[in-house]
Amino acid sequence: GENVEQHPSTLSVQEGDSAVIKCTYSDSASNYFPWYKQELGKRPQLIIDIRSNVGEKKDQRIAVTLNKTAKHFSLHITETQPEDSAVYFCAAAPGGYQKVTFGTGTKLQVIP
Amino acid sequence: EAGVVQSPRYKIIEKKQPVAFWCNPISGHNTLYWYLQNLGQGPELLIRYENEEAVDDSQLPKDRFSAERLKGVDSTLKIQPAELGDSAVYLCASSLTDQYEQYFGPGTRLTVT
Repeated sequence: GENVEQHPSTLSVQEGDSAVIKCTYSDSASNYFPWYKQELGKRPQLIIDIRSNVGEKKDQRIAVTLNKTAKHFSLHITETQPEDSAVYFCAAAPGGYQKVTFGTGTKLQVIP
Repeated sequence: EAGVVQSPRYKIIEKKQPVAFWCNPISGHNTLYWYLQNLGQGPELLIRYENEEAVDDSQLPKDRFSAERLKGVDSTLKIQPAELGDSAVYLCASSLTDQYEQYFGPGTRLTVT
């Protein structure tokens, strides 16, 4: 089955700086890569996703890049704000099947 | 539009007792998922339903866990008997058929003492 590894497990940045979270996956059949944000005690919420036919996707201060050859994808948050503080999960899913495998999460702390 | 609803939000039971969790997905979402989330970890799939059919239950510990989705809408996840290691958050999610985006409920935090 799919195995998703995520780094770092914790990340502290100053407000206004950028944050980068990296993930690798093992199954070359995976073609859907979502990112979820989970605030303390809250439900995971989808913030951005990318499919394998796209190398990069951006939504305001958030961007995701995908390198299918190397089987890794990254989340980039620019101009971080205190409300970006949360746990972020990457995930991967194979084409034609909805089983999503999650990474272990990155706890992001934005220091005002 | 109402999101995924779960109840109870919190449950404390003694080991060896039974417990049940309930989930109501977003209206029109035929696919329903139950996940287990341990502290500091990502969600792990327990079971996935397409309408009333369990299409992936390979990760469900069937000796003590069971689930049902009668009529293809609401779902119930049961543990009997509960063990100390079952303490975790149980998340329900739903999605449209053939759509990857999943919408999560608030979860049920189970504590087994």
